[in-house]
Amino acid sequence: DSGVTQTPKHLITATGQRVTLRCSPRSGDLSVYWYQQSLDQGLQFLIQYYNGEERAKGNILERFSAQQFPDLHSELNLSSLELGDSALYFCASSVRGEGTEAFFGQGTRLTVV
Amino acid sequence: AQSVTQPDIHITVSEGASLELRCNYSYGATPYLFWYVQSPGQGLQLLLKYFSGDTLVQGIKGFEAEFKRSQSSFNLRKPSVHWSDAAEYFCAVGALNYGGSQGNLIFGKGTKLSVKP
Repeated sequence: DSGVTQTPKHLITATGQRVTLRCSPRSGDLSVYWYQQSLDQGLQFLIQYYNGEERAKGNILERFSAQQFPDLHSELNLSSLELGDSALYFCASSVRGEGTEAFFGQGTRLTVV
Repeated sequence: AQSVTQPDIHITVSEGASLELRCNYSYGATPYLFWYVQSPGQGLQLLLKYFSGDTLVQGIKGFEAEFKRSQSSFNLRKPSVHWSDAAEYFCAVGALNYGGSQGNLIFGKGTKLSVKP
């Protein structure tokens, strides 16, 4: 158990809908990262938040957005869903400091039908 | 552009045999290198990491990896594979960013390891 909690574990929704994925980082971790894992693209970095502020952006679509709340949990919002958005979405967290690494949650499997 | 290449999509080894998974990276700055393992239906677990210092790093589950700057490689090795090692292995490169915290990772496509009894 990495200490990173993602909910829900599975999500099935229809095209055009909007969903919210939730991530609770490890206690004390200030950074939260979102990754998408799909068969086509592999593991891709989407976005990073550090202590409530957006820190880095990767290949995140405009239909997707995220935020990190004062209690440091994060949410990834996916809207106008398309079949191609079906993937495993991972959240990871890390502390501030040299030599640290990111710890990954179990992921949320999103299926768009 | 920064990238990570894992040339082998799928490898099959016999239980008890040695294993080497290849990873090559392209990164402008000093890389921070990682190997993660993903079992079916599971998240990613860190096997080992290289930040600096000794280029041969030891990880969990008996794995080790060697950083070779001249070859831009960070190959993962294990002297004797166990059936429970069957999983998908990902090499990743990243950097430290603001405040020394872990930056985002660039992952390879992964190598799926099958273990024959």
